[in-house]
Amino acid sequence: LAKTTQPISMDSYEGQEVNITCSHNNIATNDYITWYQQFPSQGPRFIIQGYKTKVTNEVASLFIPADRKSSTLSLPRVSLSDTAVYYCLVGASGGGYNKLIFGAGTRLAVHP
Amino acid sequence: SAVISQKPSRDICQRGTSLTIQCQVDSQVTMMFWYRQQPGQSLTLIATANQGSEATYESGFVIDKFPISRPNLTFSTLTVSNMSPEDSSIYLCSVPTGASSYNEQFFGPGTRLTVL
Repeated sequence: LAKTTQPISMDSYEGQEVNITCSHNNIATNDYITWYQQFPSQGPRFIIQGYKTKVTNEVASLFIPADRKSSTLSLPRVSLSDTAVYYCLVGASGGGYNKLIFGAGTRLAVHP
Repeated sequence: SAVISQKPSRDICQRGTSLTIQCQVDSQVTMMFWYRQQPGQSLTLIATANQGSEATYESGFVIDKFPISRPNLTFSTLTVSNMSPEDSSIYLCSVPTGASSYNEQFFGPGTRLTVL
């Protein structure tokens, strides 16, 4: 599975847009990019997944450039409740259930 | 979606003892995964539990230390054996959602283990 690199921590304020970038230089052709969110004392929660270009759901957007060597998770207008650790994972999707290999994650702190 | 429960939610144990953690899913799933999250750290996959066969362990984890049972498609247990303080962690189980995205998994709430 491709290794990922993310900032260790980020700070933001309520109402701002937060962009968390993940580097995955060794991503393979059939790898998808997946993001998870983990609140304190809870298990991780799937946020979004994409292969290329842009994916948007009710929670976030995921931007993936053409070379797919990085991706950016965008959280619009964050609130205090978005304070969490965000994990970027890269691995193959389809053809069988996949082991999830978590990196260090980005600890996002949203301030009033 | 899947609803996953774990028991116990937390426990404090003495070194040298063993603790069995239960993971119950509200639907039948082929595979279940067990993770460990040490304090302030990311998650580390321990093993993949398949119904009707031996669990598959990741590097650094062995069956004697973390025996796993998978008696049916909705239940699994992870035992932490001969515990030491280094085993103090949160232990989580997860299952694939069954959707087309195999990277999407549901996680249980975790079991917080403290070993004295």
